[in-house]
Amino acid sequence: DTEVTQTPKHLVMGMTNKKSLKCEQHMGHRAMYWYKQKAKKPPELMFVYSYEKLSINESVPSRFSPECPNSSLLNLHLHALQPEDSALYLCASSQDRLGGGSPLHFGNGTRLTVT
Amino acid sequence: DAKTTQPPSMDCAEGRAANLPCNHSTISGNEYVYWYRQIHSQGPQYIIHGLKNNETNEMASLIITEDRKSSTLILPHATLRDTAVYYCIVRVNQRNSGYALNFGKGTSLLVTP
Repeated sequence: DTEVTQTPKHLVMGMTNKKSLKCEQHMGHRAMYWYKQKAKKPPELMFVYSYEKLSINESVPSRFSPECPNSSLLNLHLHALQPEDSALYLCASSQDRLGGGSPLHFGNGTRLTVT
Repeated sequence: DAKTTQPPSMDCAEGRAANLPCNHSTISGNEYVYWYRQIHSQGPQYIIHGLKNNETNEMASLIITEDRKSSTLILPHATLRDTAVYYCIVRVNQRNSGYALNFGKGTSLLVTP
């Protein structure tokens, strides 16, 4: 079990569907992250939220739309995806402070299949 | 962030120490060294991190060379459950921008009976 909860664990969607991935943490962390991981590859950063504001967007296509409704929740809205977007989507959170390092805590991901 | 170099794969016998090396020759003075691992079909798991001094916790020890250009993660008594991909990451703290990690290819550690 992890302290970062992602739902659903598995998702199959068609290219015309709209779906959302959800992530929740109750550790009081103020930074939250979305990563994408293709099979046998390392995780790739997509978005970073700091204090509920988008601070980093790694040139992600607009068919992926992140949202941070409050400090505990992070959503990733999906629309008009392509089969190549099939991957494991990982959410993470961390404290956002200078000094001492700030480890990221990851959920176990949502495995997305686009048909 | 500084780039890291790790061997693509390593084997270790169960019960023996696993020593995973990482080179980060371009590391800056304010960059931390982080180690994560990822067991198949799970999210990455934080192991340990350090800046200059050697660190130890219940999972592992981190040895950082004096010039900080390389480090070694030590799992003192490897078990079959330690089979995973191990990532060495260096990262600078950036206030108000989160502390995003950029993962390299990592080392695939296989612990054998």
